[in-house]
Amino acid sequence: KNQVEQSPQSLIILEGKNCTLQCNYTVSPFSNLRWYKQDTGRGPVSLTIMTFSENTKSNGRYTATLDADTKQSSLHITASQLSDSASYICVVIDSGTYKYIFGTGTRLKVLA
Amino acid sequence: DTAVSQTPKYLVTQMGNDKSIKCEQNLGHDTMYWYKQDSKKFLKIMFSYNNKELIINETVPNRFSPKSPDKAHLNLHINSLELGDSAVYFCASSQRLAPNEQFFGPGTRLTVL
Repeated sequence: KNQVEQSPQSLIILEGKNCTLQCNYTVSPFSNLRWYKQDTGRGPVSLTIMTFSENTKSNGRYTATLDADTKQSSLHITASQLSDSASYICVVIDSGTYKYIFGTGTRLKVLA
Repeated sequence: DTAVSQTPKYLVTQMGNDKSIKCEQNLGHDTMYWYKQDSKKFLKIMFSYNNKELIINETVPNRFSPKSPDKAHLNLHINSLELGDSAVYFCASSQRLAPNEQFFGPGTRLTVL
């Protein structure tokens, strides 16, 4: 069964600190992997998109990495801000069915 | 301008009622989706329409019936609401099917009492 698992489930950090969120997947065949940010009460918003041939992709203070061999991805947030408090969802696109397979998300809380 | 909009934002209703959620996108996309996000925040696809044609229909009870009057609209009608239908429902759209990026609406929080 195609799955996307994320860790940790939740994370609390102080403003200004860095953090790394993990995503492991078993989806195959795999098209691309995305990280979404979902603020409370809002829909998910895309942060990064990576194809299987890309190892890293940055979007401001967000840097995603991908190891297609081990089927692992990470999202690194640098110099966290209060506005980074949200759920971060890893999504893998199954290139056979074109379905988005969503991870369970990591809930990040940044404290002042 | 809101790219993907949903109405209503909140919906509280009694068990057994019939309700509809509307979705509109002004991005000119061909494909629209309905997702359900449960209490554990897990997003799961329900339906996908491409050019008004049903493409994906997950194992969703037939009490749920999507209707796409045109490319820009995908409405979700739910008959005989049950307690387990309580969730946040998200509409999304993309230019054709995945892997094109999907843009999500703000969600509709449905509470069935």
